[in-house]
Amino acid sequence: SQQGEEDPQALSIQEGENATMNCSYKTSINNLQWYRQNSGRGLVHLILIRSNEREKHSGRLRVTLDTSKKSSSLLITASRAADTASYFCATDKGNKLVFGAGTILRVKS
Amino acid sequence: EAGVAQSPRYKIIEKRQSVAFWCNPISGHATLYWYQQILGQGPKLLIQFQNNGVVDDSQLPKDRFSAERLKGVDSTLKIQPAKLEDSAVYLCASSPGTGRRSYEQYFGPGTRLTVT
Repeated sequence: SQQGEEDPQALSIQEGENATMNCSYKTSINNLQWYRQNSGRGLVHLILIRSNEREKHSGRLRVTLDTSKKSSSLLITASRAADTASYFCATDKGNKLVFGAGTILRVKS
Repeated sequence: EAGVAQSPRYKIIEKRQSVAFWCNPISGHATLYWYQQILGQGPKLLIQFQNNGVVDDSQLPKDRFSAERLKGVDSTLKIQPAKLEDSAVYLCASSPGTGRRSYEQYFGPGTRLTVT
């Protein structure tokens, strides 16, 4: 079963714009992770946010976590064509991940 | 640092045949995972090893799937006999973590299996 559900399913933006993807989940978690998957580099870890954290940054990425609403968001600022990929949230109950179905992001140059 | 290695990268078999996939995790990583990713879906955990012991195989279809991790390093995943619905990408991942603390997972390139 898939715990996280990403929204939207697909997103198409112009280079330079910001992209926001959302993830909702059903049960309590320890942490939440975001991954990116493209044909060139496979599935790559982006960021891990712990349940006691509300916001985390890594370069052009910003992740928020609201445990009261059981939701998380991933913001990519100043998007580039190379950001074109599928993005997955994965809920984490201690070294075991449950992935959502992902958001397909297309950045047009 | 070398990443997670998997082979083969592609495999086409007929239904009812058997197939095996191999994974070599990052050196020193205690935990190894096998995932199945069907087109359009996120990866689904099949089995998790910590060193050479099984931590979780609750979603492994044990009537046809088997996996082992000899000496706590390399791992093989086998399907026998294969069904059409087994067509998917099989991903291997490893992480340095043990127990319940969370770590990022490092994924291999995957094996794309097509069952005809």
